[in-house]
Amino acid sequence: DTAVSQTPKYLVTQMGNDKSIKCEQNLGHDTMYWYKQDSKKFLKIMFSYNNKELIINETVPNRFSPKSPDKAHLNLHINSLELGDSAVYFCASSPSETSYEQYFGPGTRLTVT
Amino acid sequence: AQSVTQLGSHVSVSEGALVLLRCNYSSSVPPYLFWYVQYPNQGLQLLLKYTSAATLVKGINGFEAEFKKSETSFHLTKPSAHMSDAAEYFCAVSEQNFGNEKLTFGTGTRLTIIP
Repeated sequence: DTAVSQTPKYLVTQMGNDKSIKCEQNLGHDTMYWYKQDSKKFLKIMFSYNNKELIINETVPNRFSPKSPDKAHLNLHINSLELGDSAVYFCASSPSETSYEQYFGPGTRLTVT
Repeated sequence: AQSVTQLGSHVSVSEGALVLLRCNYSSSVPPYLFWYVQYPNQGLQLLLKYTSAATLVKGINGFEAEFKKSETSFHLTKPSAHMSDAAEYFCAVSEQNFGNEKLTFGTGTRLTIIP
């Protein structure tokens, strides 16, 4: 059973388009995260939600909008895609907002052309 | 803000040799520290964590790390490298953010195993 799953695994799109990435966890965790990993493998947190409430919102362009319909799902919508958005996006979850252990999904490789 | 420095973006060791991946942190309060591994085209997997209990922490796949406060280090070691250990390794430190623990990652170390 997949603990944290993401769809799609690969996403190729043109500049200016709008796209969404979906994330689901079946671990019963309360907290979910989105990370961006750039071409140099640097991993940086973007958002975190706890029980559907936004907890962390780093300095991310407002073209990025996370949505959490329930605590098992955290989707990422990106408007007006730019070349610099090309990266691997990872979803993660943890038991609670004060837990120190995070479980990562397999990643979504986004390529903007 | 807390930060993590991983010395050496690439490390190569022979199969059966000692693996040593270096991590230093900066923190004004006692940190919680982690090592994650990322295999090619996969997500990150937790190897081990230090949360202020024993300073020598044992993880999965034969890896261990020692927290040394005096050196602000949390180096990862494995006595004998295996081909399957080839991966990217990330050190991370927890950072309190109004009660929500946020992980700050190092820039990663790619481990190559030479047959």
